[in-house]
Amino acid sequence: GAVVSQHPSWVICKSGTSVKIECRSLDFQATTMFWYRQFPKQSLMLMATSNEGSKATYEQGVEKDKFLINHASLTLSTLTVTSAHPEDSSFYICSAREGSTGANVLTFGAGSRLTVL
Amino acid sequence: GDSVTQMEGPVTLSEEAFLTINCTYTATGYPSLFWYVQYPGEGLQLLLKATKADDKGSNKGFEATYRKETTSFHLEKGSVQVSDSAVYFCALLTGNQFYFGTGTSLTVIP
Repeated sequence: GAVVSQHPSWVICKSGTSVKIECRSLDFQATTMFWYRQFPKQSLMLMATSNEGSKATYEQGVEKDKFLINHASLTLSTLTVTSAHPEDSSFYICSAREGSTGANVLTFGAGSRLTVL
Repeated sequence: GDSVTQMEGPVTLSEEAFLTINCTYTATGYPSLFWYVQYPGEGLQLLLKATKADDKGSNKGFEATYRKETTSFHLEKGSVQVSDSAVYFCALLTGNQFYFGTGTSLTVIP
């Protein structure tokens, strides 16, 4: 089945630095990828929709300059948390929807836990 | 707008107990419905899905039936195991947009 790989699985960084998280579809092409942030008590918040070759669509309240999303190819989307601060510490999860067949299923990565000191 | 409402947790059950996690939805048109499961420290995995009314999705002993008349997609399992302890998310797909419920945490005790 479809597999989405997310890297790194856990990253610790100092306040003020930038962190990049990669999301790859391993065995299918993903024209659309989604980035979520999961808060304590499991609430899942959609941050943005990433479309290959075009700008990401951000949800209301998500800072575009803070969370940079790039979807340069059909198999890779990246989320860069710029100038990270402790309040950005969270579990970030990407998902992808297979583009070629229009499969109506989202496949999720394993998530990336960001801890900002 | 389109949305999913699912039963708040946490839910704690003894092993072999019957499980029901309620999920209702609001959507225009004919959405597809899903249950995803998230085990501790992991991402979400598709558990089961149903794409039209009266369809029943099933996997690993879990079942859910797409009920258009009650706009529901309740998750059930006849006999839960400790390994079923996880967070369960109900979701719907309408158009190109997925909507998730807030998740229900399930803990199964021996």
